Amino acid sequence: SAVISQKPSRDICQRGTSLTIQCQVDSQVTMMFWYRQQPGQSLTLIATANQGSEATYESGFVIDKFPISRPNLTFSTLTVSNMSPEDSSIYLCSSTAGQGAAFFGQGTRLTVV
Amino acid sequence: AQSVTQLGSHVSVSEGALVLLRCNYSSSVPPYLFWYVQYPNQGLQLLLKYTTGATLVKGINGFEAEFKKSETSFHLTKPSAHMSDAAEYFCAVRGGGSNYKLTFGKGTLLTVNP
Repeated sequence: SAVISQKPSRDICQRGTSLTIQCQVDSQVTMMFWYRQQPGQSLTLIATANQGSEATYESGFVIDKFPISRPNLTFSTLTVSNMSPEDSSIYLCSSTAGQGAAFFGQGTRLTVV
Repeated sequence: AQSVTQLGSHVSVSEGALVLLRCNYSSSVPPYLFWYVQYPNQGLQLLLKYTTGATLVKGINGFEAEFKKSETSFHLTKPSAHMSDAAEYFCAVRGGGSNYKLTFGKGTLLTVNP
């Protein structure tokens, strides 16, 4: 199956700043997904990113807070803007392989202080 | 819409014992079902999936799951637990066709005791 390289793997950031997370897929994919995993919680979908169109955000997530870029079929970024301690989470990108089995990047462990 | 319920946030077994992690789903369309494993400080790894066809699905590391439509269940089992199986396990569902969004359960932490 395809491989997603995600970076940074972890970061500690000051409140009020922004962090951009990058995901690179080793093959062309139509859709990429961004998830948040808060401490001790399950994964929650933030948005779906298709190449050449605006990302589609899930309820409770907005573009101003989590802008997403999808410049081509192998790359996407998620920015966490104006961070607060409540944004401390693991952020994961994913895409789909045959018959919808999703594969994931290694995750970015973000701590906001 | 889909939802997933994982019964038991924490399951503890002895090494060599049967592993049973429970997952029930709700879906308005025929579901695709998945089990993922997450080791500490790592992303998610696909264990197995059910899409169509045979209802007993075998995955990696000796795990298997059975899709039971009448019970809306997709429980994960392994006959004999190994210490390396200790991890968080997530059940996930999505609708078929072009709906690729996954809905995850809250996860079950598996502890394996020596």
